[in-house]
Amino acid sequence: GESVGLHLPTLSVQEGDNSIINCAYSNSASDYFIWYKQESGKGPQFIIDIRSNMDKRQGQRVTVLLNKTVKHLSLQIAATQPGDSAVYFCAENNRAAGNKLTFGGGTRVLVKP
Amino acid sequence: GAVVSQHPSRVICKSGTSVKIECRSLDFQATTMFWYRQFPKKSLMLMATSNEGSKATYEQGVEKDKFLINHASLTLSTLTVTSAHPEDSSFYICSASMGAGLVGKETQYFGPGTRLLVL
Repeated sequence: GESVGLHLPTLSVQEGDNSIINCAYSNSASDYFIWYKQESGKGPQFIIDIRSNMDKRQGQRVTVLLNKTVKHLSLQIAATQPGDSAVYFCAENNRAAGNKLTFGGGTRVLVKP
Repeated sequence: GAVVSQHPSRVICKSGTSVKIECRSLDFQATTMFWYRQFPKKSLMLMATSNEGSKATYEQGVEKDKFLINHASLTLSTLTVTSAHPEDSSFYICSASMGAGLVGKETQYFGPGTRLLVL
């Protein structure tokens, strides 16, 4: 079936460096993607989203890139901080299926001091 | 903006009892709310979708008589785990959307989750 997946389960990054989290999706009809951050014991927190008519979107210290040709999504975190340590999920929104989200498996980001 | 709350945050109950979890959108009206279950170190698994004023739509493999969902208003949805058993122990998370299917309104905002432990 259709799925959204992540390449790296764990990413260790030095404080101050940039982080890049990758995600592949398989449903070429998907038109809306979201990145969520989940800290231990908490619910997912919305970080940034992007629609399929864009290939880049920037927020505060975060950038999402969308490559529809290869069905690839990435989240870049600039100047990673200890507070960025969490699990990051990409999610694909399927409007045709009732606005359901399909989540990737998650990538844990560990920020080293 | 777009704050979603859940209550309780943590609950311990005896096997065979029922537990109700509330999900509220605090600063927006949610036409659609979703209930997820998450096992340790795993991704979120959608259990059901509920639209205000109508019956919930359950995902395949989720027992509707076991997990009762009510979405009585645009700001409140409840999940009741009936006759809970130890295997129902999990982290339950709700999300709310302002308008499923509407461009610009479909983003899901998540609650903080409820940790259920059934003894």
